[in-house]
Amino acid sequence: DVKVTQSSRYLVKRTGEKVFLECVQDMDHENMFWYRQDPGLGLRLIYFSYDVKMKEKGDIPEGYSVSREKKERFSLILESASTNQTSMYLCASKGSNQPQHFGDGTRLSIL
Amino acid sequence: QKEVEQNSGPLSVPEGAIASLNCTYSDRVSQSFFWYRQYSGKSPELIMSIYSNGDKEDGRFTAQLNKASQYVSLLIRDSQPSDSATYLCAVIDGYSGGGADGLTFGKGTHLIIQP
Repeated sequence: DVKVTQSSRYLVKRTGEKVFLECVQDMDHENMFWYRQDPGLGLRLIYFSYDVKMKEKGDIPEGYSVSREKKERFSLILESASTNQTSMYLCASKGSNQPQHFGDGTRLSIL
Repeated sequence: QKEVEQNSGPLSVPEGAIASLNCTYSDRVSQSFFWYRQYSGKSPELIMSIYSNGDKEDGRFTAQLNKASQYVSLLIRDSQPSDSATYLCAVIDGYSGGGADGLTFGKGTHLIIQP
């Protein structure tokens, strides 16, 4: 089974802090994704990566950056956290022509 | 802009009945179709995949695909209260080789199974 592990289930940070969300997958997948999910808005893609050190913007990249130094790890960075970034963050990975597999999610609160 | 449309619900079904969830997609070149189940506060879990026209059955779940009409559906037989969740439809297009940017999600249908 595919295992996608997100570093935290719940996280509380303060406005202006730099926040790191970590994601690790164990299936040697090329593709990894970060989404946020808010009530009524569905899954919204923030960034994705199709290879080490490669990244592409998704639908809502503003206020975020990512890092992929190793194939198994994809990090999401909130450069200066704001209250409108309070959300559920989901990491996923997939192989070519395969469905995505999700981690358990991180519920992030920015105070 | 590729679109995947689902009725947001809630869809209320009595226990033991058949729940029918529908999804339409805009891209005629779409190749692969998936259904995810998401419980409140949890992450999406893959429950069905379908790649060719017709029906695919897995236990109480049946996925149906009609590429000519551009819709995919999920039937849940003998519905149980534990089936209450949000069901997300996802589609891979035919352009990107199934790569990173080829998967589009619907917003999901909230299903309630009434005991």
